[in-house]
Amino acid sequence: DAGVTQSPTHLIKTRGQQVTLRCSPKSGHDTVSWYQQALGQGPQFIFQYYEEEERQRGNFPDRFSGHQFPNYSSELNVNALLLGDSALYLCASSPGGANTGELFFGEGSRLTVL
Amino acid sequence: AQKITQTQPGMFVQEKEAVTLDCTYDTSDPSYGLFWYKQPSSGEMIFLIYQGSYDQQNATEGRYSLNFQKARKSANLVISASQLGDSAMYFCAMRPILTGGGNKLTFGTGTQLKVEL
Repeated sequence: DAGVTQSPTHLIKTRGQQVTLRCSPKSGHDTVSWYQQALGQGPQFIFQYYEEEERQRGNFPDRFSGHQFPNYSSELNVNALLLGDSALYLCASSPGGANTGELFFGEGSRLTVL
Repeated sequence: AQKITQTQPGMFVQEKEAVTLDCTYDTSDPSYGLFWYKQPSSGEMIFLIYQGSYDQQNATEGRYSLNFQKARKSANLVISASQLGDSAMYFCAMRPILTGGGNKLTFGTGTQLKVEL
């Protein structure tokens, strides 16, 4: 049973560019959320997708956008990259509507903005 | 709003000894869930243990146990019989328990654990 998978694992971009990160949730999970983890800090919630709609959003600008597909996979898009966007981006999945501890993360995509 | 406080930036423990990692929280939500994750240098966030605020008993998962004291708003992680592979960053996190679910977690700043021979 595959867990949460993310791609790419590492990427380097320059300021002003755009990036797309991808996430496939764990089998049986239909809710996906994205987190940004800057070096030396805890992850910060970006947004959550369920039934192909953004349901909750953290304190991130509109440059951060996302999408969820019918197969529950998700993309995170960041436009007009800034140096401060350099971070580990983590995807988490859980069963929709469930308030349990079943919330698992992928290995993350490490973005470096030069 | 929710807040997680981890006051130990770094901890050392001898192999085979037990160690407690501290976590206190603050929330206005009547029901909530508390998580502990382990993050090795590779970056993956590995789920360790979960405690619901409504659970009467403290959660246990193998060598991990969660010392949940609701009145003190603390959710300390206890690792028994430490192993070298336990060396990693440990994060405490919480989320509100809402109708319809949701996975917006609030994380602490983490504790770096080093297990020594």
